[in-house]
Amino acid sequence: GEDVEQSLFLSVREGDSSVINCTYTDSSSTYLYWYKQEPGAGLQLLTYIFSNMDMKQDQRLTVLLNKKDKHLSLRIADTQTGDSAIYFCAALSNNRKLIWGLGTSLAVNP
Amino acid sequence: EAGVAQSPRYKIIEKRQSVAFWCNPISGHATLYWYQQILGQGPKLLIQFQNNGVVDDSQLPKDRFSAERLKGVDSTLKIQPAKLEDSAVYLCASSQGGTGELFFGEGSRLTVL
Repeated sequence: GEDVEQSLFLSVREGDSSVINCTYTDSSSTYLYWYKQEPGAGLQLLTYIFSNMDMKQDQRLTVLLNKKDKHLSLRIADTQTGDSAIYFCAALSNNRKLIWGLGTSLAVNP
Repeated sequence: EAGVAQSPRYKIIEKRQSVAFWCNPISGHATLYWYQQILGQGPKLLIQFQNNGVVDDSQLPKDRFSAERLKGVDSTLKIQPAKLEDSAVYLCASSQGGTGELFFGEGSRLTVL
């Protein structure tokens, strides 16, 4: 069935770039999303990319999509301690179901 | 613009008791979702409403969980009777057009003892 996979943990130093990776199985996915969840809070939409794009930049965030390999990445430039959170990748399938990854826990060390 | 409101934020009950969670979506959002998030896992869709009709409840344990969205606005999710494995955060989200752009509430954390 449809699946989205992410690595579970990432640790970076403050000021470095973070790259969070995601792979998905449904090649008909139309939109791909990155959500952020801070401790004790709900999820917050960070950014998304349409499947006919290969890159989207929004301030410190860069999303890269390799549709052939079904690989999505989120790059956070100049990572700050406030970026420490869990980042979820999600893919919108053709039947409009949102398939979620398990989340990548990002730890930013001073 | 007010966000998605959920209550209560925290609830502790004993197994076999019942509990209800309430959600008020963003005004004008036709689609409402209830998700279950167990610690360390991604959100699992329990039920999706479009206005007051059910779009997807395939993962809702219907023997103990029920949800309704009267008048196509706010919604309640009920668990009766609760089991230990129901301990989780119950997230409500809404969207305008059933896209993946969801707006989440802060969640209701349930602990079943």
